[in-house]
Amino acid sequence: NAGVMQNPRHLVRRRGQEARLRCSPMKGHSHVYWYRQLPEEGLKFMVYLQKENIIDESGMPKERFSAEFPKEGPSILRIQQVVRGDSAAYFCASSPGQGIGYEQYFGPGTRLTVT
Amino acid sequence: DAKTTQPPSMDCAEGRAANLPCNHSTISGNEYVYWYRQIHSQGPQYIIHGLKNNETNEMASLIITEDRKSSTLILPHATLRDTAVYYCIVRVVGNNRKLIWGLGTSLAVNP
Repeated sequence: NAGVMQNPRHLVRRRGQEARLRCSPMKGHSHVYWYRQLPEEGLKFMVYLQKENIIDESGMPKERFSAEFPKEGPSILRIQQVVRGDSAAYFCASSPGQGIGYEQYFGPGTRLTVT
Repeated sequence: DAKTTQPPSMDCAEGRAANLPCNHSTISGNEYVYWYRQIHSQGPQYIIHGLKNNETNEMASLIITEDRKSSTLILPHATLRDTAVYYCIVRVVGNNRKLIWGLGTSLAVNP
């Protein structure tokens, strides 16, 4: 059973461009979480999605950031008009449910560099 | 903000037990203690969790004090591959599904 997959692993964008980060959850997992990690800091929750629904987006910046988890295909975190402050590692996690016993399993992350 | 306090760094000799403390003095009755670790540049890895009883799995043991205000993660025989940042997280399971991370403890296992 393959783990959580994220691509690309490294992404370089110039200021003002768009960044698209993809996350394929583990097989059988319908819950996806996105976290951001700035250098030398802990992870910060961004958004929690179930298939076709955003459940909690309390950690998402109000502008330029959006996320989706369509019925078919991977979850996408989209950052429009990137700025240098968006440079970070973005981690996706998935779980089969939300209760005890349904732990979050993390992907390897996408490292975004904005030049 | 994270509801836990951990020492920023610790050292351990290879083959010895690593004991990582965590304070969570404001923990509520319905909150669990979770431990994750992050090996350099990789995604976090789940280790163990508990409510009030001590727990053990193939990776580690978790000791929670009777008042639940602190806990200790024990790696019984640390190896060089256990060098990582260890995060202690308090989590309400149910409506609050997200994990709130602090800065963790950077554990260095030395040969």
